[in-house]
Amino acid sequence: AQKITQTQPGMFVQEKEAVTLDCTYDTSDPSYGLFWYKQPSSGEMIFLIYQGSYDQQNATEGRYSLNFQKARKSANLVISASQLGDSAMYFCVGNYKLTFGKGTLLTVNP
Amino acid sequence: EAGVTQSPTHLIKTRGQQATLRCSPISGHTSVYWYQQALGLGLQFLLWYDEGEERNRGNFPPRFSGRQFPNYSSELNVNALELEDSALYLCASSLGGVDTQYFGPGTRLTVL
Repeated sequence: AQKITQTQPGMFVQEKEAVTLDCTYDTSDPSYGLFWYKQPSSGEMIFLIYQGSYDQQNATEGRYSLNFQKARKSANLVISASQLGDSAMYFCVGNYKLTFGKGTLLTVNP
Repeated sequence: EAGVTQSPTHLIKTRGQQATLRCSPISGHTSVYWYQQALGLGLQFLLWYDEGEERNRGNFPPRFSGRQFPNYSSELNVNALELEDSALYLCASSLGGVDTQYFGPGTRLTVL
């Protein structure tokens, strides 16, 4: 089983600054994967980035990167150069039975 | 390439009725997932279909059911609707297994 914890219900960031969204996980499976999804107010879920437990390097996709620390069981999402359109809910998701964290509402201020 | 599509966009029903929600996956995707996002409860996993079979289901009563057709599209049926079934129902598709899921826009179900 997996447990995904997102401890930040809400975060604020100034436009063009970087922000880190926290995610910790608990799993007994040596092989696992973690996703990050963005859900804007329209409701659609948008895949952002994926990290596999055996990946040698931290995942990066454009302005999104994962700060993956296995020893700490954390997979924090880093968004660089925030844009107003980044304002949304962000979910950290474990691949076992698609376990979702509670999400973090990110607000980007102009 | 077309993304995941869902219909209808909105659905209004009364208590005790049945609702049918539909989902068409991305071409080439064999897995379809259903989620419920109720206000204040976050996203909860409902059902996973792959190659026409139910692979897994979340902690929902049996009145939530569905099926996957040979063309990999899927239906979610909710029988004996209750007020608390009011939610956004999201469908996602993937190539299968633990591959990345791509979500549709959702169907907003309102039970009066």
